Amino acid sequence: SQTIHQWPATLVQPVGSPLSLECTVEGTSNPNLYWYRQAAGRGLQLLFYSVGIGQISSEVPQNLSASRPQDRQFILSSKKLLLSDSGFYLCAWGTGTGNTGELFFGEGSRLTVL
Amino acid sequence: LAKTTQPISMDSYEGQEVNITCSHNNIATNDYITWYQQFPSQGPRFIIQGYKTKVTNEVASLFIPADRKSSTLSLPRVSLSDTAVYYCLVGDAGGYNKLIFGAGTRLAVHP
Repeated sequence: SQTIHQWPATLVQPVGSPLSLECTVEGTSNPNLYWYRQAAGRGLQLLFYSVGIGQISSEVPQNLSASRPQDRQFILSSKKLLLSDSGFYLCAWGTGTGNTGELFFGEGSRLTVL
Repeated sequence: LAKTTQPISMDSYEGQEVNITCSHNNIATNDYITWYQQFPSQGPRFIIQGYKTKVTNEVASLFIPADRKSSTLSLPRVSLSDTAVYYCLVGDAGGYNKLIFGAGTRLAVHP
């Protein structure tokens, strides 16, 4: 069966510090991968998605970046965090075929920037 | 990219049927309609998906009219554990599954 894991689960970082969130998927090949962010009490904002190794599409211009060094690994990074980067970050994978739209989410990473 | 509109919040009581309607006037021919449920501090969870007419599974039903410009998620006999945010999504016609979540509907089930 397929599983998705992301870490760390929780982190508190000072403004201006770097960030690295990692997500891995097991049990499937060539998945579409996504990073979403959710501010407190709000809906999900799509940050990045990837349809293959090294292929990253950005939805929102900001100080975050994403990379996909391996087929089932998706990394979200920042060189210098802003207060506005605080939120609940969710990694997800999809089957990548057609528009059936089913996504499977990780456990989430809660980031607090102070 | 099809945009969805759904009520911000709804209230219900245990044992009642809840219907949440979503509007998607610009849905594309190849788009599917998918609903997710999200509890606090968790990722959304797939509930049901459909293309047209009616779809039913063990937790919900999805009603889609012929013009597909709206859809209704029906939750039979809700319980307190159904208190959550419900999102309606329409698939990206470009084929990349670039799914956009709206604000969702916050459902509160009361005793």
